[in-house]
Amino acid sequence: NAGVTQTPKFQVLKTGQSMTLQCAQDMNHNSMYWYRQDPGMGLRLIYYSASEGTTDKGEVPNGYNVSRLNKREFSLRLESAAPSQTSVYFCASSGGAAVSNQPQHFGDGTRLSIL
Amino acid sequence: GENVEQHPSTLSVQEGDSAVIKCTYSDSASNYFPWYKQELGKRPQLIIDIRSNVGEKKDQRIAVTLNKTAKHFSLHITETQPEDSAVYFCAASKLTGGGNKLTFGTGTQLKVEL
Repeated sequence: NAGVTQTPKFQVLKTGQSMTLQCAQDMNHNSMYWYRQDPGMGLRLIYYSASEGTTDKGEVPNGYNVSRLNKREFSLRLESAAPSQTSVYFCASSGGAAVSNQPQHFGDGTRLSIL
Repeated sequence: GENVEQHPSTLSVQEGDSAVIKCTYSDSASNYFPWYKQELGKRPQLIIDIRSNVGEKKDQRIAVTLNKTAKHFSLHITETQPEDSAVYFCAASKLTGGGNKLTFGTGTQLKVEL
């Protein structure tokens, strides 16, 4: 039981390049989330998916798109990377009904640098 | 939207002492308050959480208290040990149409000194 798996673990991009961060969970959770973590700013929600087939914006969605591919997988795409998107990206998932407060479980993160 | 403030940003204690981290939130509708521990280079890990229908919850050396009237909640760690050294984050969320969108505090760097 791996929990939440993120790929890749590290990535360096040039400004303007695009890439997709992958996230998969094996806990049969309904909800999945993408956060970014910057020094001194805690974790900020980028996008989330309350259930399969739905996605919605979080606090800092600009410059990102997401796809809830199926119940297990939730990807984050940077269409044209900018240096301000240099950050550590965490994916998380939570179980229970879509309308519920359940603990979120995090992946190991993707460390992304944009030059 | 919700705003969560966390204090202090750094905290240094002697091994065996207690540590207290405090958070305030702005949205009175928030009803779920988790605490996460994050070691350097690792993922955030849930250590304890509390819902608005209780005022206190304890798990061994860790306890959380909630004051809904004042809109603040606190993490208490007793008998601190070197392995407690990490960054601790508080968070808050409320029931919405879908998912629980957590708003995090900015973190407290706890250092337990021998």
